[in-house]
Amino acid sequence: DAGITQSPRHKVTETGTPVTLRCHQTENHRYMYWYRQDPGHGLRLIHYSYGVKDTDKGEVSDGYSVSRSKTEDFLLTLESATSSQTSVYFCAISEYVGSVYNEQFFGPGTRLTVL
Amino acid sequence: AQSVTQLGSHVSVSEGALVLLRCNYSSSVPPYLFWYVQYPNQGLQLLLKYTSAATLVKGINGFEAEFKKSETSFHLTKPSAHMSDAAEYFCAVSSQGAQKLVFGQGTRLTINP
Repeated sequence: DAGITQSPRHKVTETGTPVTLRCHQTENHRYMYWYRQDPGHGLRLIHYSYGVKDTDKGEVSDGYSVSRSKTEDFLLTLESATSSQTSVYFCAISEYVGSVYNEQFFGPGTRLTVL
Repeated sequence: AQSVTQLGSHVSVSEGALVLLRCNYSSSVPPYLFWYVQYPNQGLQLLLKYTSAATLVKGINGFEAEFKKSETSFHLTKPSAHMSDAAEYFCAVSSQGAQKLVFGQGTRLTINP
């Protein structure tokens, strides 16, 4: 299994509070991703990173920010959590081998509940 | 823009029966295609991938998928379902030069004894 951990695994918070989720990898992969999973929507990309300090928005980035100061860590921050951000959040990593884009490897997920 | 449509949010089959999960994609460039499986309370695991080599791709746990360009499809099959196959399955598309995947909505597979 790819070495990807997410912390915390479960979190309950209140509306309006800031929340930071952490993704840590031991594979030295260049690309890291944050997704949210909601019933009927599959996985939707929030933000991704293509290197240290290099990030870009995904399709559902509003209300989220990210940072990557080290290759191994990718942080997702909800500046002011809302109930609509209650979801399961997954981190993923990937790498190019030659010119071929390789599959993404997923972490175990963080279940976030915003009351 | 790329997109993926999985036909059927829920599929139910009997143990030992054929499993067929449907995936159609839209892509303006040659695609890379993936099937992932998610067991309850776990992350996603790769079942198989198509990256422009053989059109019939074999994956783990007896699953396979066939890339059909003319039908823009990448359906997932398994000849004989096992109880342990009960999970949610996701089809995803990317393309050469892209660093992102676009996922379908997922299909929940139930196996009846």
